[in-house]
Amino acid sequence: GAVVSQHPSWVICKSGTSVKIECRSLDFQATTMFWYRQFPKQSLMLMATSNEGSKATYEQGVEKDKFLINHASLTLSTLTVTSAHPEDSSFYICSARGQVSNEQFFGPGTRLTVL
Amino acid sequence: AQKVTQAQTEISVVEKEDVTLDCVYETRDTTYYLFWYKQPPSGELVFLIRRNSFDEQNEISGRYSWNFQKSTSSFNFTITASQVVDSAVYFCALSEAASGTYKYIFGTGTRLKVLA
Repeated sequence: GAVVSQHPSWVICKSGTSVKIECRSLDFQATTMFWYRQFPKQSLMLMATSNEGSKATYEQGVEKDKFLINHASLTLSTLTVTSAHPEDSSFYICSARGQVSNEQFFGPGTRLTVL
Repeated sequence: AQKVTQAQTEISVVEKEDVTLDCVYETRDTTYYLFWYKQPPSGELVFLIRRNSFDEQNEISGRYSWNFQKSTSSFNFTITASQVVDSAVYFCALSEAASGTYKYIFGTGTRLKVLA
């Protein structure tokens, strides 16, 4: 099956610093990648959708200047949380969709803790 | 507007009991897909099933079964003879073709606790 990896799996950073999370499709080309955020005991909320080579589309209420998304290749998308604050602490999950199927394949998630 | 409702926030059952998790969806699209995922404490989503709007056939996979009824906009999930390992949060999700990107809308999830 299709495999999606995320790196790092967890990260702890100080308030005010920036953190980059990578999402890779390992065995297929991902034309579209999605980024979700999940707070404790809550559902997954879509943050943004990115297509390779174009700007990401952000969901309402998500600050695009704070959550920078880059989808430079068909196998890699990155999410950078800029000037992170404790309220950004969350579980970030990416997913990738291939060229043929409409199904998304999910990464294992990255747990971000901002002190 | 698209929406997924999982009215059961948390369910507790004793091992070997059967349990049904409810999922009701709203969509105006005629082509859509429904999914169930399991999220154990590790956090990684585990894919369970995908159904498209044109296939109302019920599905059985081992102890798991799914009942898709377009007439009631429901896609319920039943675990037969539950086991402690089934304890997790279960999410139902909807994806519409009309969105263009097939983005998923998740329900709020149902936390299932299976007691030994």
